[in-house]
Amino acid sequence: DIQMTQSPSSLSASIGDRVTITCRANEGIDSYLAWFQKKSGKAPESLIYAASTLQTGVPPRFSGSGSGTDFTLTITSLQPEDSAIYYCQQYKSHPLSFGGGTMVGIK
Amino acid sequence: QLQLQESGPGLVKPSGTLSLTCGVSGGSISSTNYYWGWIRQPPGKGLEWIGSVYKSGITFYNPSLKSRVTISMDTSKNQVSLKLTTVTAADTAVYYCARRGRLVVADTDHWHFDLWGRGTLVAVSS
Repeated sequence: DIQMTQSPSSLSASIGDRVTITCRANEGIDSYLAWFQKKSGKAPESLIYAASTLQTGVPPRFSGSGSGTDFTLTITSLQPEDSAIYYCQQYKSHPLSFGGGTMVGIK
Repeated sequence: QLQLQESGPGLVKPSGTLSLTCGVSGGSISSTNYYWGWIRQPPGKGLEWIGSVYKSGITFYNPSLKSRVTISMDTSKNQVSLKLTTVTAADTAVYYCARRGRLVVADTDHWHFDLWGRGTLVAVSS
């Protein structure tokens, strides 16, 4: 099974800061990686798929990069509404698996 | 706009069967290029994929749950169902229904969870 490891587990940043979250797979997954945003009481929302393709309607301050085993999610200018938990997920092979999540807070 | 809504009992007794449905509105679950799946998140823990089903009836299950899980589609009701048998306290979780859509990027199929329900909390307790 493919294990996904995210770091950091939590961070706190100021409005306008650049935020970077990393996700590592224990074996190569090409670009079969997605990122999700989860806010309390709401459904998870898809942000990025194919490692770097922005889901329709997602603000362009979000971007993804990477291939193989190492991936990043970047928020170029953190906004108040970006306070959430972010998850990565691999869909190269079954069983599908998720990272442990990164909680992003606002200072 | 397509929406997913999970429903079912919020409390199940140990050794019982957990049964949830995912009602889909604004679109058909029989549409091509979509799988329908379930994911769960125990309190304080990470997300765990349970399984997925396609309109043909083909299913994929997490090996850790395969012996206890059944996911099915009812096209007449436009809903997807989850059954998990012989539950224990470890099955207490928020259960999410999600659509797995096919998108093509650089001539490669990408099947990813593009739409989720809000989730429903199921507690296993006597």
